Amino acid sequence: AQRVTQPEKLLSVFKGAPVELKCNYSYSGSPELFWYVQYSRQRLQLLLRHISRESIKGFTADLNKGETSFHLKKPFAQEEDSAMYYCALYYAGGTSYGKLTFGQGTILTVHP
Amino acid sequence: EAGVTQFPSHSVIEKGQTVTLRCDPISGHDNLYWYRRVMGKEIKFLLHFVKESKQDESGMPNNRFLAERTGGTYSTLKVQPAELEDSGVYFCASSQVAGPGSGYTFGSGTRLTVV
Repeated sequence: AQRVTQPEKLLSVFKGAPVELKCNYSYSGSPELFWYVQYSRQRLQLLLRHISRESIKGFTADLNKGETSFHLKKPFAQEEDSAMYYCALYYAGGTSYGKLTFGQGTILTVHP
Repeated sequence: EAGVTQFPSHSVIEKGQTVTLRCDPISGHDNLYWYRRVMGKEIKFLLHFVKESKQDESGMPNNRFLAERTGGTYSTLKVQPAELEDSGVYFCASSQVAGPGSGYTFGSGTRLTVV
Protein backbone atom coordinates (compact mmCIF):
# COMPACT_ATOMS: atom_id res chain seq x y z
CA ALA A 1 0.00 0.00 0.00
CA GLN A 2 1.10 3.54 -0.62
CA ARG A 3 2.37 5.64 2.27
CA VAL A 4 3.71 9.15 2.77
CA THR A 5 5.96 10.06 5.67
CA GLN A 6 6.79 13.55 6.87
CA PRO A 7 9.21 12.99 9.74
CA GLU A 8 9.03 16.49 11.20
CA LYS A 9 5.81 17.62 12.84
CA LEU A 10 7.30 21.02 13.66
CA LEU A 11 10.00 23.02 11.92
CA SER A 12 11.21 26.44 12.99
CA VAL A 13 13.59 28.69 11.10
CA PHE A 14 14.50 32.35 11.06
CA LYS A 15 13.57 34.68 8.25
CA GLY A 16 16.10 34.48 5.45
CA ALA A 17 17.33 31.03 6.39
CA PRO A 18 17.01 28.05 4.06
CA VAL A 19 14.24 25.62 4.78
CA GLU A 20 13.71 22.00 3.81
CA LEU A 21 10.57 20.03 4.60
CA LYS A 22 11.14 16.34 4.23
CA CYS A 23 8.82 13.88 2.55
CA ASN A 24 9.38 10.21 1.83
CA TYR A 25 6.97 7.90 0.15
CA SER A 26 6.50 4.23 -0.46
CA TYR A 27 4.80 3.05 -3.58
CA SER A 28 5.89 0.45 -6.07
CA GLY A 29 4.63 2.19 -9.16
CA SER A 30 5.10 5.67 -10.57
CA PRO A 31 3.09 8.02 -8.45
CA GLU A 32 2.54 11.71 -8.77
CA LEU A 33 3.74 13.75 -5.81
CA PHE A 34 2.34 17.02 -4.55
CA TRP A 35 2.85 19.59 -1.85
CA TYR A 36 -0.21 21.23 -0.35
CA VAL A 37 -0.18 24.18 2.03
CA GLN A 38 -2.71 25.43 4.54
CA TYR A 39 -2.18 28.95 5.83
CA SER A 40 -3.85 30.06 9.03
CA ARG A 41 -7.64 30.22 8.62
CA GLN A 42 -7.43 29.32 4.93
CA ARG A 43 -8.27 26.23 2.96
CA LEU A 44 -5.87 23.57 1.82
CA GLN A 45 -4.36 24.60 -1.50
CA LEU A 46 -1.95 23.11 -3.98
CA LEU A 47 1.56 24.50 -3.74
CA LEU A 48 3.31 22.48 -6.41
CA ARG A 49 3.38 19.13 -8.19
CA HIS A 50 6.41 17.24 -9.32
CA ILE A 51 5.43 16.76 -12.93
CA SER A 52 5.22 20.47 -13.58
CA ARG A 53 8.73 21.09 -12.19
CA GLU A 54 7.80 24.67 -11.41
CA SER A 55 8.73 26.98 -8.58
CA ILE A 56 5.91 28.51 -6.60
CA LYS A 57 6.54 31.26 -4.05
CA GLY A 58 10.21 30.36 -4.23
CA PHE A 59 9.62 26.73 -3.27
CA THR A 60 10.93 23.83 -5.30
CA ALA A 61 10.73 20.09 -4.86
CA ASP A 62 12.55 17.38 -6.76
CA LEU A 63 11.31 13.84 -6.98
CA ASN A 64 14.12 11.42 -6.15
CA LYS A 65 12.92 7.98 -7.12
CA GLY A 66 16.06 6.29 -5.82
CA GLU A 67 15.52 7.67 -2.33
CA THR A 68 11.72 7.79 -2.74
CA SER A 69 11.75 11.36 -1.53
CA PHE A 70 10.09 14.62 -2.51
CA HIS A 71 11.56 17.21 -0.18
CA LEU A 72 10.33 20.79 -0.34
CA LYS A 73 12.97 23.49 -0.32
CA LYS A 74 13.25 27.23 -0.23
CA PRO A 75 16.57 29.07 -0.06
CA PHE A 76 15.32 32.08 1.92
CA ALA A 77 12.30 31.61 4.15
CA GLN A 78 9.82 34.44 4.68
CA GLU A 79 7.48 35.01 7.59
CA GLU A 80 4.49 34.55 5.30
CA ASP A 81 5.66 31.00 4.62
CA SER A 82 4.52 30.01 8.10
CA ALA A 83 1.83 27.38 7.54
CA MET A 84 1.04 23.67 7.64
CA TYR A 85 2.57 21.78 4.72
CA TYR A 86 1.37 18.41 3.50
CA CYS A 87 3.10 16.09 1.11
CA ALA A 88 0.68 13.96 -0.90
CA LEU A 89 0.85 11.07 -3.32
CA TYR A 90 -1.55 10.25 -6.10
CA TYR A 91 -1.86 7.19 -8.25
CA ALA A 92 -4.58 5.93 -10.50
CA GLY A 93 -5.30 2.24 -10.20
CA GLY A 94 -8.28 -0.04 -10.20
CA THR A 95 -11.32 1.83 -8.96
CA SER A 96 -9.15 4.38 -7.23
CA TYR A 97 -8.41 7.22 -9.57
CA GLY A 98 -9.08 10.27 -7.53
CA LYS A 99 -7.74 9.91 -4.04
CA LEU A 100 -4.70 11.51 -2.50
CA THR A 101 -2.62 9.91 0.20
CA PHE A 102 -1.29 12.50 2.62
CA GLY A 103 1.54 12.66 5.08
CA GLN A 104 0.96 13.87 8.62
CA GLY A 105 1.95 17.41 7.81
CA THR A 106 4.72 19.71 8.98
CA ILE A 107 4.02 23.00 10.73
CA LEU A 108 6.57 25.52 9.53
CA THR A 109 7.17 28.59 11.64
CA VAL A 110 9.37 31.34 10.28
CA HIS A 111 10.56 33.72 12.99
CA PRO A 112 11.38 37.37 12.25
CA GLU B 1 -15.93 31.16 -9.58
CA ALA B 2 -17.31 30.07 -6.23
CA GLY B 3 -15.14 27.58 -4.40
CA VAL B 4 -16.02 24.40 -2.58
CA THR B 5 -18.31 25.28 0.30
CA GLN B 6 -18.68 23.27 3.45
CA PHE B 7 -20.98 23.79 6.38
CA PRO B 8 -21.19 24.00 9.18
CA SER B 9 -17.67 25.23 9.78
CA HIS B 10 -17.80 23.91 13.34
CA SER B 11 -20.02 21.42 15.08
CA VAL B 12 -20.00 20.27 18.67
CA ILE B 13 -22.23 17.32 19.51
CA GLU B 14 -22.57 14.79 22.25
CA LYS B 15 -21.58 11.20 21.87
CA GLY B 16 -24.47 9.23 20.45
CA GLN B 17 -25.99 12.11 18.55
CA THR B 18 -26.25 12.46 14.79
CA VAL B 19 -24.47 15.05 12.70
CA THR B 20 -24.78 15.83 9.01
CA LEU B 21 -22.03 17.64 7.17
CA ARG B 22 -22.63 19.22 3.82
CA CYS B 23 -20.37 19.95 0.88
CA ASP B 24 -21.24 22.04 -2.16
CA PRO B 25 -18.71 21.41 -4.92
CA ILE B 26 -17.70 23.82 -7.65
CA SER B 27 -20.45 23.92 -10.23
CA GLY B 28 -19.78 21.45 -13.02
CA HIS B 29 -17.39 19.31 -11.00
CA ASP B 30 -18.54 15.72 -11.34
CA ASN B 31 -15.93 14.41 -8.89
CA LEU B 32 -16.39 14.98 -5.18
CA TYR B 33 -14.17 13.63 -2.44
CA TRP B 34 -14.41 13.46 1.34
CA TYR B 35 -11.37 13.37 3.60
CA ARG B 36 -10.86 13.74 7.32
CA ARG B 37 -8.02 14.53 9.67
CA VAL B 38 -8.30 13.26 13.20
CA MET B 39 -6.12 14.80 15.90
CA GLY B 40 -2.42 14.14 15.34
CA LYS B 41 -2.96 12.00 12.29
CA GLU B 42 -2.71 12.48 8.57
CA ILE B 43 -5.53 13.57 6.29
CA LYS B 44 -7.23 10.37 5.19
CA PHE B 45 -9.41 9.69 2.19
CA LEU B 46 -12.96 8.62 2.93
CA LEU B 47 -14.72 8.32 -0.41
CA HIS B 48 -15.06 9.55 -3.96
CA PHE B 49 -18.25 10.33 -5.86
CA VAL B 50 -18.54 10.59 -9.61
CA LYS B 51 -21.77 12.47 -10.08
CA GLU B 52 -24.18 10.65 -7.79
CA SER B 53 -22.34 7.32 -7.80
CA LYS B 54 -19.85 6.15 -5.19
CA GLN B 55 -16.71 5.38 -7.17
CA ASP B 56 -14.53 4.48 -4.22
CA GLU B 57 -15.64 4.25 -0.61
CA SER B 58 -12.68 2.26 0.63
CA GLY B 59 -11.81 4.86 3.27
CA MET B 60 -15.13 4.92 5.08
CA PRO B 61 -14.28 3.83 8.64
CA ASN B 62 -17.48 1.95 9.50
CA ASN B 63 -21.21 1.80 8.91
CA ARG B 64 -21.88 4.74 11.21
CA PHE B 65 -20.84 6.92 8.29
CA LEU B 66 -23.22 7.47 5.39
CA ALA B 67 -22.42 9.67 2.41
CA GLU B 68 -24.89 10.69 -0.23
CA ARG B 69 -24.87 12.83 -3.30
CA THR B 70 -28.39 12.92 -4.62
CA GLY B 71 -28.67 14.44 -8.06
CA GLY B 72 -24.93 14.68 -8.39
CA THR B 73 -24.74 18.14 -6.88
CA TYR B 74 -24.05 18.69 -3.19
CA SER B 75 -23.07 15.87 -0.88
CA THR B 76 -23.83 15.08 2.72
CA LEU B 77 -21.88 13.00 5.18
CA LYS B 78 -23.90 11.74 8.12
CA VAL B 79 -22.39 10.28 11.25
CA GLN B 80 -24.88 8.30 13.31
CA PRO B 81 -24.32 7.72 16.17
CA ALA B 82 -21.23 9.85 16.67
CA GLU B 83 -18.38 8.54 18.80
CA LEU B 84 -15.54 10.41 20.47
CA GLU B 85 -13.01 9.14 17.93
CA ASP B 86 -14.97 10.78 15.12
CA SER B 87 -13.73 14.19 16.23
CA GLY B 88 -11.59 15.88 13.63
CA VAL B 89 -11.70 18.06 10.56
CA TYR B 90 -13.71 16.80 7.59
CA PHE B 91 -12.61 18.11 4.23
CA CYS B 92 -14.39 18.01 0.92
CA ALA B 93 -12.78 18.48 -2.47
CA SER B 94 -14.08 18.55 -6.01
CA SER B 95 -12.63 18.32 -9.48
CA GLN B 96 -13.92 18.40 -13.02
CA VAL B 97 -11.82 15.43 -14.06
CA ALA B 98 -10.76 12.75 -11.59
CA GLY B 99 -7.34 13.24 -10.13
CA PRO B 100 -5.51 16.07 -8.43
CA GLY B 101 -4.06 17.54 -11.59
CA SER B 102 -7.36 18.93 -12.74
CA GLY B 103 -8.34 21.77 -10.50
CA TYR B 104 -8.77 19.61 -7.44
CA THR B 105 -10.10 22.19 -4.99
CA PHE B 106 -10.62 21.78 -1.27
CA GLY B 107 -13.21 23.34 0.95
CA SER B 108 -12.38 24.99 4.26
CA GLY B 109 -13.42 21.94 6.23
CA THR B 110 -15.85 21.21 9.03
CA ARG B 111 -14.38 20.84 12.50
CA LEU B 112 -16.38 18.20 14.33
CA THR B 113 -16.02 17.81 18.07
CA VAL B 114 -17.77 14.93 19.79
CA VAL B 115 -17.96 15.31 23.58
